[in-house]
Amino acid sequence: QVQLVESGGAVVQPGTSLRLSCAASGFNFRTYGMHWVRQSPGKGPEWVAVIWYDGSNINYAASVKGRFTISRDNSKNTLYLQMNSLRAEDTAVYFCASQIDYGGTDYWGQGTLVIVSS
Amino acid sequence: EIVLTQSPATLSLSPGERATLSCRASQSVITSLAWYQQKPGQAPRLLIYDASNRATGIPARFSGSGSGTDFTLTISSLEPEDFAVYYCQQRSNWPPYTFGQGTKLEIK
Repeated sequence: QVQLVESGGAVVQPGTSLRLSCAASGFNFRTYGMHWVRQSPGKGPEWVAVIWYDGSNINYAASVKGRFTISRDNSKNTLYLQMNSLRAEDTAVYFCASQIDYGGTDYWGQGTLVIVSS
Repeated sequence: EIVLTQSPATLSLSPGERATLSCRASQSVITSLAWYQQKPGQAPRLLIYDASNRATGIPARFSGSGSGTDFTLTISSLEPEDFAVYYCQQRSNWPPYTFGQGTKLEIK
């Protein structure tokens, strides 16, 4: 079955870096655009970044642009989010999610928690 | 950046009743709007995409309508499992793919 499994979440200090991973299985990962979406405690989802299926197009939310880098390795069916210069306001559960395909399906992981605190 | 405003913030209804949730965009998103359902501790679940298309496996009691700036999610007859938070998301003018602030559907 389809699985997206995020990992890499941790408790870190402000100003440090962290890399999240999202391992995909059960669908043709290399043909899907992929997103990172985060959700702070008690708040609604916030879109973070998107990468096209082949990595040819990448975009970021203004709140993370210049600090976060989305990438993918289609040979490993894995999506990444490199997060630098972390701030307290980056504290959230980070979800990876696929694009909505032509059949009306998208896939989400269970999320990984990042806490930025001194 | 397109801002999505959802109303009401909280909707209190009983099982079997009809629910109508609204999402208004600060500028036209044509029909590039999705609706998600989220329960505590879970990822959002896609219900509706392109304003009116039900996602795979979504029951027929869920329907979406609208275009331009005004959109509606309707649940025709509430089941106990439908009580959750609902978010709209625009996919027209990006980045960013903005979400609304959510409507909490609670049991009356």
